[in-house]
Amino acid sequence: DTAVSQTPKYLVTQMGNDKSIKCEQNLGHDTMYWYKQDSKKFLKIMFSYNNKELIINETVPNRFSPKSPDKAHLNLHINSLELGDSAVYFCASSQTRYGYGYTFGSGTRLTVV
Amino acid sequence: GENVEQHPSTLSVQEGDSAVIKCTYSDSASNYFPWYKQELGKRPQLIIDIRSNVGEKKDQRIAVTLNKTAKHFSLHITETQPEDSAVYFCAASIRGNTPLVFGKGTRLSVIA
Repeated sequence: DTAVSQTPKYLVTQMGNDKSIKCEQNLGHDTMYWYKQDSKKFLKIMFSYNNKELIINETVPNRFSPKSPDKAHLNLHINSLELGDSAVYFCASSQTRYGYGYTFGSGTRLTVV
Repeated sequence: GENVEQHPSTLSVQEGDSAVIKCTYSDSASNYFPWYKQELGKRPQLIIDIRSNVGEKKDQRIAVTLNKTAKHFSLHITETQPEDSAVYFCAASIRGNTPLVFGKGTRLSVIA
């Protein structure tokens, strides 16, 4: 009974393609996030989404777009994939906007070739 | 925005010794400071956290201290074991509107 689940776990795709990563949480949390972890293990916030309020990290290219059909889901759509997009993407959720009770998904390793 | 610095980036200790990882943050409004452990190929997992109304918190072999005046906090692991080997991340949350900002991580190796 996974608390925060992501699919797929691995994604290999060619440059220029469009792909999506799905995230679902069953914790009843009201905020969800996407983080990017690069090869140096640095965890960088991309987006947070709380009650229809989207907070975007200004360094994220607009090729990345989050989509939230409901409070339990926050999907990540990426257009025109580039080599530099290769990383592990983690979804996370928390109970409040203060970050208490942060839980991460298992990650999606994206490889762009 | 908030900036979190973490040191050292790598740390090797002998089994049974103590390990200390230090973090500093920039925004005095931050009030929540968690620590995460990430084993190879796995997700980061919360191991301990501290809030600004407390100076120290302990959970078995792990303790965290917070100095709000100096804006730094530290993770202390005593009696280290090989299974403590992992990457450890500190993080800080600004009161209200922003998600956790993470330090760049410390790769801890416990040598048996």
